[in-house]
Amino acid sequence: GAVVSQHPSWVICKSGTSVKIECRSLDFQATTMFWYRQFPKQSLMLMATSNEGSKATYEQGVEKDKFLINHASLTLSTLTVTSAHPEDSSFYICSGLQGSNTGELFFGEGSRLTVL
Amino acid sequence: AQKITQTQPGMFVQEKEAVTLDCTYDTSDPSYGLFWYKQPSSGEMIFLIYQGSYDQQNATEGRYSLNFQKARKSANLVISASQLGDSAMYFCAMREFFSNFGNEKLTFGTGTRLTIIP
Repeated sequence: GAVVSQHPSWVICKSGTSVKIECRSLDFQATTMFWYRQFPKQSLMLMATSNEGSKATYEQGVEKDKFLINHASLTLSTLTVTSAHPEDSSFYICSGLQGSNTGELFFGEGSRLTVL
Repeated sequence: AQKITQTQPGMFVQEKEAVTLDCTYDTSDPSYGLFWYKQPSSGEMIFLIYQGSYDQQNATEGRYSLNFQKARKSANLVISASQLGDSAMYFCAMREFFSNFGNEKLTFGTGTRLTIIP
């Protein structure tokens, strides 16, 4: 199956710093990528939907200035958590949509962010 | 090798019938967790049920139950009395915990598209 690679898999940073998480589709072109945030034993919460070459669409309640999403190419989307705070500590996971809206969705392995 | 395998890309089930979605997993770690998520067309992943590797009993949440067979490394989702609103993609996922620096990894299966027929 298609592979989505997420990097880094875990990161620890100081409060106030920015952290970038990369999401790459390794063997397919993902015109659409989704970014999720997950709290322990809870559902993944969709943060935003990004389409290649256009601005991301953020879900209600998600601060677009805090969570910067860039989808510059068909194989790479990045999430930058700016001025991170301890409450931003979470598990972030991306997924890439192969093909049309009814195409298969492939998930990255997730990135654990811990803000001290 | 696939960490999480869902062998049913699509299923059609009559309304009010029970349905079983298959999931097998592969890990050598003794501590892990298994999840089932539902993803409607809106895109959000909806958490359904969780089973920890050390849990003695099968997890149940309303109409959802997880048939956890540890020796077979299977974690099938059972939905009783299916409803039209159950039509969605369903993902099985496994969270592995690693001892170094509290690292963990969440691996999803490719999903099963369930369609409930009225």
